[in-house]
Amino acid sequence: AQRVTQPEKLLSVFKGAPVELKCNYSYSGSPELFWYVQYSRQRLQLLLRHISRESIKGFTADLNKGETSFHLKKPFAQEEDSAMYYCALFGGGADGLTFGKGTHLIIQP
Amino acid sequence: KAGVTQTPRYLIKTRGQQVTLSCSPISGHRSVSWYQQTPGQGLQFLFEYFSETQRNKGNFPGRFSGRQFSNSRSEMNVSTLELGDSALYLCASSLAGGAVTGELFFGEGSRLTVL
Repeated sequence: AQRVTQPEKLLSVFKGAPVELKCNYSYSGSPELFWYVQYSRQRLQLLLRHISRESIKGFTADLNKGETSFHLKKPFAQEEDSAMYYCALFGGGADGLTFGKGTHLIIQP
Repeated sequence: KAGVTQTPRYLIKTRGQQVTLSCSPISGHRSVSWYQQTPGQGLQFLFEYFSETQRNKGNFPGRFSGRQFSNSRSEMNVSTLELGDSALYLCASSLAGGAVTGELFFGEGSRLTVL
């Protein structure tokens, strides 16, 4: 069964500091990985996907198949980055998108 | 373009009752997925419908069912409600299927409380 683990329920960093939200997955094949974000009083929305290799709002994520990780990083955190972040995996089967339980990121001024 | 709309937003039921939740996807989107979100289990996949056919199904009991209409609107039904069914039920739509692209557009959810 596919599984996504986000070890940190809460992560608090100061504005301007680097941010890394951890995501580890369990899947035997080649998954597709995504990061979703939910800002306060907004809907859950896609932030980025690994196949695009893009940087969105300064965030990047690299898929490391050896370590089965897909950590989300940003070199300089901003207050507007405060939100819930969910890592998600699609394995191509009947399980739909499997989400981690989320990390609540708080950026302190 | 209007976003995904879910109704009702809030509802309270008692054990043993049944409930029907509705979801209107973004215009042009043919895939609708449903998720259950609880503090303990997080977001769990219920099922996905594409062109009126259930394409994928998560690991939920048969009390949870759904359907999709020809206009892509979807409903999910939970029968014989249990206390543990209290949750936020999220609907998400996508063009070809969230299972294909991973890009889901979520609604605000229907918060169900079972007493």
